[in-house]
Amino acid sequence: DAGVIQSPRHEVTEMGQEVTLRCKPISGHNSLFWYRQTMMRGLELLIYFNNNVPIDDSGMPEDRFSAKMPNASFSTLKIQPSEPRDSAVYFCASSGAAGAINEQFFGPGTRLTVL
Amino acid sequence: GDSVTQMEGPVTLSEEAFLTINCTYTATGYPSLFWYVQYPGEGLQLLLKATKADDKGSNKGFEATYRKETTSFHLEKGSVQVSDSAVYFCALSDQSGYSTLTFGKGTMLLVSP
Repeated sequence: DAGVIQSPRHEVTEMGQEVTLRCKPISGHNSLFWYRQTMMRGLELLIYFNNNVPIDDSGMPEDRFSAKMPNASFSTLKIQPSEPRDSAVYFCASSGAAGAINEQFFGPGTRLTVL
Repeated sequence: GDSVTQMEGPVTLSEEAFLTINCTYTATGYPSLFWYVQYPGEGLQLLLKATKADDKGSNKGFEATYRKETTSFHLEKGSVQVSDSAVYFCALSDQSGYSTLTFGKGTMLLVSP
């Protein structure tokens, strides 16, 4: 298996622009998680899905952030408009069936820089 | 709510030294406990886990024992290598069934030759 795939690996954009981050979870996994990592705040859970349905989005910092999971093999995290304080590494992770003790598998991350 | 507390880093050691990274947790019920490792420029990888009290997780020479009486899950390795330099995260999983993890802030380990 290729593992969790994220794209792009690096994104540099200017303040005010729309940014879309993409994630392909491991085939067969039914939970998907979006995290943000910064030096100041560490690793933060933004939102997670189970069976393509958003379960908890309380970690999404503002309305500028939105996430979708249109099918079991694809998810997006969108920031519109982007701001310099959104600069961070964004990770996607997936895990297996709910109700079991399962490891989360992380993607390599997308390093976002907003100028 | 659930929380995980790790010792602050960086932890700086010489090669072949003994490593301990402390981790304590607060949770209701009986969480599962994990150590993840993040190498520079990469995502997090599971290093080891324990699902019930007194379980010992081990991998790549690292060990941690689930101590319910002290609510701890300290990470140890008898002889570290330069290649062990990374950030280590302690985490717990509640029993909600959604595999959500609560992470500590991470501890950076730097091993010099």
